[in-house]
Amino acid sequence: KAGVTQTPRYLIKTRGQQVTLSCSPISGHRSVSWYQQTPGQGLQFLFEYFSETQRNKGNFPGRFSGRQFSNSRSEMNVSTLELGDSALYLCASSWDDKGIAGANVLTFGAGSRLTVL
Amino acid sequence: AQKITQTQPGMFVQEKEAVTLDCTYDTSDPSYGLFWYKQPSSGEMIFLIYQGSYDQQNATEGRYSLNFQKARKSANLVISASQLGDSAMYFCAMREPYGSARQLTFGSGTQLTVLP
Repeated sequence: KAGVTQTPRYLIKTRGQQVTLSCSPISGHRSVSWYQQTPGQGLQFLFEYFSETQRNKGNFPGRFSGRQFSNSRSEMNVSTLELGDSALYLCASSWDDKGIAGANVLTFGAGSRLTVL
Repeated sequence: AQKITQTQPGMFVQEKEAVTLDCTYDTSDPSYGLFWYKQPSSGEMIFLIYQGSYDQQNATEGRYSLNFQKARKSANLVISASQLGDSAMYFCAMREPYGSARQLTFGSGTQLTVLP
């Protein structure tokens, strides 16, 4: 069974550019979440999608956006990149997010490491 | 206030020894879930173990066990018989029930190094 696939794995951008990151969840998983990981702030929640709807959003500026397609694949976009956006962006999928049962374990991808110069 | 606190930035353990990684949490909800993830240098977060707040027994998964002390709000991870491949960053996380924030809230992590 294929895991969560994130592309690209590594990318370098310059300030002011925009970037799109892609995430293919485990087959059958309908919930996709995105997290940002930096040395200074640790792991922070960006947003969560379920059946093409954003259901939850973290405390990030509007430059960070995302979407989910009908096949549950998700993309996140960061516009007008800043140096502080350099981070590992992790995508995670799960069956559903109802309740907190163990079945709703988030399975993470390997991440997309973004460097902003 | 920090919801998840991991007070050990780094830990060392001898191969084949057991090690305990500390995690305390803060929530006013009676229903919540606690998770431990491992992150090797490759970056991928690997799920290790889960404990529900209503679970009577401490969770165990192979060499991993969770020492859940609800009254103290602690959920320490115990790794028995450490292996060199256990060297990684370990994160404790909490998930509160839907209706509030449904995402995982992570601690700052503990870097574990297993010595040969």
